[in-house]
Amino acid sequence: NAGVTQTPKFRILKIGQSMTLQCTQDMNHNYMYWYRQDPGMGLKLIYYSVGAGITDKGEVPNGYNVSRSTTEDFPLRLELAAPSQTSVYFCASSIPGQGTEAFFGQGTRLTVV
Amino acid sequence: KNEVEQSPQNLTAQEGEFITINCSYSVGISALHWLQQHPGGGIVSLFMLSSGKKKHGRLIATINIQEKHSSLHITASHPRDSAVYICAALWNFGNEKLTFGTGTRLTIIP
Repeated sequence: NAGVTQTPKFRILKIGQSMTLQCTQDMNHNYMYWYRQDPGMGLKLIYYSVGAGITDKGEVPNGYNVSRSTTEDFPLRLELAAPSQTSVYFCASSIPGQGTEAFFGQGTRLTVV
Repeated sequence: KNEVEQSPQNLTAQEGEFITINCSYSVGISALHWLQQHPGGGIVSLFMLSSGKKKHGRLIATINIQEKHSSLHITASHPRDSAVYICAALWNFGNEKLTFGTGTRLTIIP
């Protein structure tokens, strides 16, 4: 199994450009998440989804959008990129309930210049 | 506010030393995750525990629910253990949203 796959691994955007970070998982997990990791800070939840067709905001959703049309895919869209969105982004998935672990993608390092 | 704090922020030790990383949280939780972030950036889950103790190889995680505290121990540390170790609190089973600590950067010197 591939687990959680994120693309791209690195990207440089100019201010005002838009892009989509792709995330796909092959474990049939209902729950998927997008986090951002800033230097010296803990991961912050951007958006999450509890199943296909259902998404909800996390702690830091402004400037981002998501969709969940299938169980496997959970893309994160950045519209009008800003320098404040320079960060490392992680997608994760899990099965809800006791005793389950979270699986993370390899991360996307995004720089907005 | 639900908060998670880790200590120390940075830890350097000699190969073979016993390592302890601490995590405390502000209110009651359903479970606590310990994660390892490799120098290349990838994150892997080490443990999830709700009570007591779990062991995997040279790694041991403990949690004291009453004291709102968890520890991650590494026995016979090795340079390949060098990584950032992150604890994350799960406040409620069902919504699965985690609050993360800022991480402990561990460096093991040969």
